[in-house]
Amino acid sequence: NAGVTQTPKFRVLKTGQSMTLLCAQDMNHEYMYWYRQDPGMGLRLIHYSVGEGTTAKGEVPDGYNVSRLKKQNFLLGLESAAPSQTSVYFCASSYSGRVLVETQYFGPGTRLLVL
Amino acid sequence: DAKTTQPTSMDCAEGRAANLPCNHSTISGNEYVYWYRQIHSQGPQYIIHGLKNNETNEMASLIITEDRKSSTLILPHATLRDTAVYYCIVVSGTSYGKLTFGQGTILTVHP
Repeated sequence: NAGVTQTPKFRVLKTGQSMTLLCAQDMNHEYMYWYRQDPGMGLRLIHYSVGEGTTAKGEVPDGYNVSRLKKQNFLLGLESAAPSQTSVYFCASSYSGRVLVETQYFGPGTRLLVL
Repeated sequence: DAKTTQPTSMDCAEGRAANLPCNHSTISGNEYVYWYRQIHSQGPQYIIHGLKNNETNEMASLIITEDRKSSTLILPHATLRDTAVYYCIVVSGTSYGKLTFGQGTILTVHP
């Protein structure tokens, strides 16, 4: 049981390049989330999904797109990377059954540097 | 969701209990208190949560005051590996699981 995994662990992009961050979970969780964390700050929610085929905007969605084609995967896309998107990105998942959805399990993070 | 206030930093000696306070004076009756921690360079880790009653699990204890306006996370025997940022978060249970992380408390456990 790997929990929540993220790919890649680290990436360097040039301004204007695109990339996709992959999050995978093997806990059969319904809900998945993407957060970003900037130095000295708490996590901020980018987008989230309450089930396969559904997505919704979080606190800081601009410049990002997401897709949840399969229940176990949640993809975060940057169409045209900007230096302001340099950050550490965390994916999380949670279950909407008897356990509160706020009990989230986080991945190890993806460190993105945009030059 | 209610706003929380935590001290910026705290120190604790290894082997002693670490008591981390959190103020949430505007909490509503249906809101839960959650605690997460983040060890350097890692993803946040769920610790414990509660509504009204005190809670205990294998990681920690959560003491919520009777008026629910504050709470304390207790790590009974702190170790060096407990050095982390601890986040107290109040959630309504109806916001699709969206967590709002503040600045948290930096707990440093000393040998």
